[in-house]
Amino acid sequence: DAGVIQSPRHEVTEMGQEVTLRCKPISGHNSLFWYRQTMMRGLELLIYFNNNVPIDDSGMPEDRFSAKMPNASFSTLKIQPSEPRDSAVYFCASTIFGGIGIQYFGAGTRLSVL
Amino acid sequence: QQQVKQSPQSLIVQKGGISIINCAYENTAFDYFPWYQQFPGKGPALLIAIRPDVSEKKEGRFTISFNKSAKQFSLHIMDSQPGDSATYFCAASKGAQKLVFGQGTRLTINP
Repeated sequence: DAGVIQSPRHEVTEMGQEVTLRCKPISGHNSLFWYRQTMMRGLELLIYFNNNVPIDDSGMPEDRFSAKMPNASFSTLKIQPSEPRDSAVYFCASTIFGGIGIQYFGAGTRLSVL
Repeated sequence: QQQVKQSPQSLIVQKGGISIINCAYENTAFDYFPWYQQFPGKGPALLIAIRPDVSEKKEGRFTISFNKSAKQFSLHIMDSQPGDSATYFCAASKGAQKLVFGQGTRLTINP
């Protein structure tokens, strides 16, 4: 299995631009999580989905952030408009809902907003 | 109530020594306590996890000790090796879904 696949690995953009991060979970997994990692705040859960349905988006920092999961094999995290304080590494993770709880993380997308 | 406090922030251990990282939580509803290991440029990966019905779990050189009454748990790495140098995160959740992570410990094993 290829694991959780995230793209792009690196994204550099200018303030005000729209940014879209993509995630392909492990085949057969039905829970998907988006995290943000920064030095100051550590690893924060932004939102998670079970069976493509958003369950908890209380970690989404503000309305500029949105996430979708149109099908079991694809999810996006969008930031519009982006700001320098959004610079971070964004991780996607997947697991089997109701399973033993192991979340498998992708390699992350390093976002730099100039 | 949702916080998990992790210490120390950084740790340097000699090769062959024991590395100990501690975590404390507040929410008594938490019932799943994993430790994740992260190497530079990679995503976190599960190392070992415990549920509160046991006080200790061992997998190879890695041991979790769990103290339910004190609401604390710790990771012990025996015979620490340079390849163990990484950032370690404790976490906690109710139902193994919404993980709350500690701030992380950067571990360096000196050869």
